[in-house]
Amino acid sequence: DAGVTQSPTHLIKTRGQQVTLRCSPKSGHDTVSWYQQALGQGPQFIFQYYEEEERQRGNFPDRFSGHQFPNYSSELNVNALLLGDSALYLCASSYSGASYEQYFGPGTRLTVT
Amino acid sequence: RKEVEQDPGPFNVPEGATVAFNCTYSNSASQSFFWYRQDCRKEPKLLMSVYSSGNEDGRFTAQLNRASQYISLLIRDSKLSDSATYLCVVIGLSSYKLIFGSGTRLLVRP
Repeated sequence: DAGVTQSPTHLIKTRGQQVTLRCSPKSGHDTVSWYQQALGQGPQFIFQYYEEEERQRGNFPDRFSGHQFPNYSSELNVNALLLGDSALYLCASSYSGASYEQYFGPGTRLTVT
Repeated sequence: RKEVEQDPGPFNVPEGATVAFNCTYSNSASQSFFWYRQDCRKEPKLLMSVYSSGNEDGRFTAQLNRASQYISLLIRDSKLSDSATYLCVVIGLSSYKLIFGSGTRLLVRP
């Protein structure tokens, strides 16, 4: 049973560029949440997708957007990258009936130079 | 004020020691509580849920005090493999997002 997978594992971008990160949820899960974790901090909630719609959003600017596909996989897009966007981006999947039980993928480490 | 606050540590303890972490949360309407464990450069993993009645899983005991708005985690008979960062997590009423503390780092030495 495959767990949550994310791609790529590492990424280096330049300020002003755009990036797309991908996530495939654990088998049987239909909900995907995205978190940003800066060094030395706990993960911060970006948004959650369910039934291909954004169900809840954290305190992140509109430069952060997402999408969920019919197969429940998800993308996180970040436009106009800033140095401060450098972080570990974590995807977590859950079943809609128990959204508090979220299972995390290994993350994508984004470095903005 | 942060929604969830933890002592960052590190807590440096010998093998076999008992160690306790506390965490406080600011929103009295918070509904669900958890402890996650995160190893260096890895993803967080659910360690245990926390209930008002307290719950125990082997060497780990978690407790919730709603009146004082704090959560605790007790680790008995520490192992080298317990070295990690322990994240306190809260979910608000009618919310789907996990609210994380910054984590408490534990180092268990031989």
